[in-house]
Parts: sequence; structure tokens; C-alpha cells
Amino acid sequence: DVKVTQSSRYLVKRTGEKVFLECVQDMDHENMFWYRQDPGLGLRLIYFSYDVKMKEKGDIPEGYSVSREKKERFSLILESASTNQTSMYLCASSFVGRDSPRRYEQYFGPGTRLTVT
Amino acid sequence: AQTVTQSQPEMSVQEAETVTLSCTYDTSESDYYLFWYKQPPSRQMILVIRQEAYKQQNATENRFSVNFQKAAKSFSLKISDSQLGDAAMYFCAYRRVPSGTYKYIFGTGTRLKVLA
Repeated sequence: DVKVTQSSRYLVKRTGEKVFLECVQDMDHENMFWYRQDPGLGLRLIYFSYDVKMKEKGDIPEGYSVSREKKERFSLILESASTNQTSMYLCASSFVGRDSPRRYEQYFGPGTRLTVT
Repeated sequence: AQTVTQSQPEMSVQEAETVTLSCTYDTSESDYYLFWYKQPPSRQMILVIRQEAYKQQNATENRFSVNFQKAAKSFSLKISDSQLGDAAMYFCAYRRVPSGTYKYIFGTGTRLKVLA
């Protein structure tokens, strides 16, 4: 089974701190994603990466950056945490192999609930 | 721009009964995938079922089935013989197929309560 893990389930940080959220997948998936989940807003894409060192902005990239130095690892960085970044953060990965029955299915990590005070 | 709408923020169903969650989407594309994801309380989001737009046959996975109406841009999820473990947030999602696109569009979710 595909496994996507995130470095922390719960995190409390202070305003202005630099925050690192890490995500690791073990199925050699090309694509990895960071979402933010807020009640009533569903999942909003922050950044995604389609290969090592490749990244593209999603819908709400402001205040965030990402790093993907290895295929299995995708990090989300909050350069200077603010209270409006308090949220649930979900990492996901997916495979894009043309002939795979699992093509485009996203596999999610357990999420990190971040509180910025 | 593509959009996905889940008009039911919350639904309830009696155990062993059937419930249908609605999802509509807007796109000008002809080739795409649709998904239903389940997020149990404090647990990981998992895929429930998927549908390729080019397939006319509705997807089924055990007690879960979809009613895919391409012309109406509707993708509802039917859960038969509801169980307590079905209680969760359910998200509908859309993804274009053409290469060079990586984005998934999610609905705002429907919270399903299962009553014993």
C-alpha cells in the first residue's frame, strides 16, 4: 500500500517563526501536493511538484514556499508564520503512469494541524 | 475555470439505509477524471471511487456507486446499506486529463452522519 507520512500531526508555533512541514511518500510517485483545508472551503492547493526540484504555485501560494530535493520528500515552508495560517495542512502524492489503473489517484497523508499564536 | 460544487454541507442517514451525496462540476473539457474521497474524523483521507469521463458505465465499489451524468455535469455518490464507519466528510474532486496539468479541483465537502 502507498504510504504518505507527514512529520507532525499537531504543531503550535508563534507568529513570525519559520515553520517546516515535511511529507514523505514511499511509492515513487512523480507528483506531490500541499493543500490547506479549512471548514467550508474544502481543499485549496498551495503548491505542487511534478518532479524533483520542479514546483508550481497553486491557488494560495502567498506566504509559503516549497522544496523537493528528493523524489520521495516534499517540504512546505512558512517563511514567517502568521495567525491566518492556522489550518490543517494535507500532503498528497499521485502517479501519472499512462497505463496504470491507479493513474491520477491521490494518496493523502494524515495531515498536520498547525496553530499559530 | 473548472469548479466543483457540493450543495449539501451535511447529511444524515439511518444505519442500513441508502444515501446519495450530490456533486456538480463545470468544465469545457471532454476528458477528465472524477473522484470521491472520504475523510473520517481525525483520520486520513482515502479514495472511495473514481470515474473516467470517457467511460459511460457508472463506477461501483462494493456498497459505493456513482451516478455519472456527463451532459448534466453531475457526479453523485450513492452509499447503500450505510454503516457507522461511513460517517465522514466526503469530497468530490475533478482532474483534467491533458498533459501539463496537475491541478485537482475539490468541492467544499459533505459531512455524513450515520444514525444508529
